[in-house]
Amino acid sequence: KAGVTQTPRYLIKTRGQQVTLSCSPISGHRSVSWYQQTPGQGLQFLFEYFSETQRNKGNFPGRFSGRQFSNSRSEMNVSTLELGDSALYLCASSKTGQGTDTQYFGPGTRLTVL
Amino acid sequence: TQLLEQSPQFLSIQEGENLTVYCNSSSVFSSLQWYRQEPGEGPVLLVTVVTGGEVKKLKRLTFQFGDARKDSSLHITAAQPGDTGLYLCAVFLYNQGGKLIFGQGTELSVKP
Repeated sequence: KAGVTQTPRYLIKTRGQQVTLSCSPISGHRSVSWYQQTPGQGLQFLFEYFSETQRNKGNFPGRFSGRQFSNSRSEMNVSTLELGDSALYLCASSKTGQGTDTQYFGPGTRLTVL
Repeated sequence: TQLLEQSPQFLSIQEGENLTVYCNSSSVFSSLQWYRQEPGEGPVLLVTVVTGGEVKKLKRLTFQFGDARKDSSLHITAAQPGDTGLYLCAVFLYNQGGKLIFGQGTELSVKP
């Protein structure tokens, strides 16, 4: 079956702009989680959606937001971009998003903020 | 302070050598996972360990969960260039709304 897809794969923006990233989960998966990966901080949890509801949120400013649609596809938005937002943004899907349920990651979107 | 401390952070070895990567914490977990991430890709789940003292083998990779369920190790026998990648341990935190937390990772490079 098709894996998790993320678009776009690469993005270059300037400070102050906003950006929207998209994630299509594996068919049948209702949970989508988003992560930010940087060399300094590693992989950090942003938020998780299940059946269109945000169930949990990481320790990130309000500039980071997301949503999930009825078909489980998810988007995340970052407003007023800062240089420090340059990172690899990964999404992962799973059936339940809980416990040892396997999370399947997409290839990520590489965001560069100039 | 990181919840999960991985060591070493970087490891560069020759093909055929053995290595061990560690994931330590002061907290007790009900389970722990190991992932591998290759350049340009997202992490891929290798194994989940759930019982204290549990040992799981995946070809040349051996995973162990500590008896007290606070730490884990990953041992690779006769490393190959295809083992190159970032190895991450992760735990699911039920008491914080439910989220997967990762260690900082161990960057492994295996040279032919």
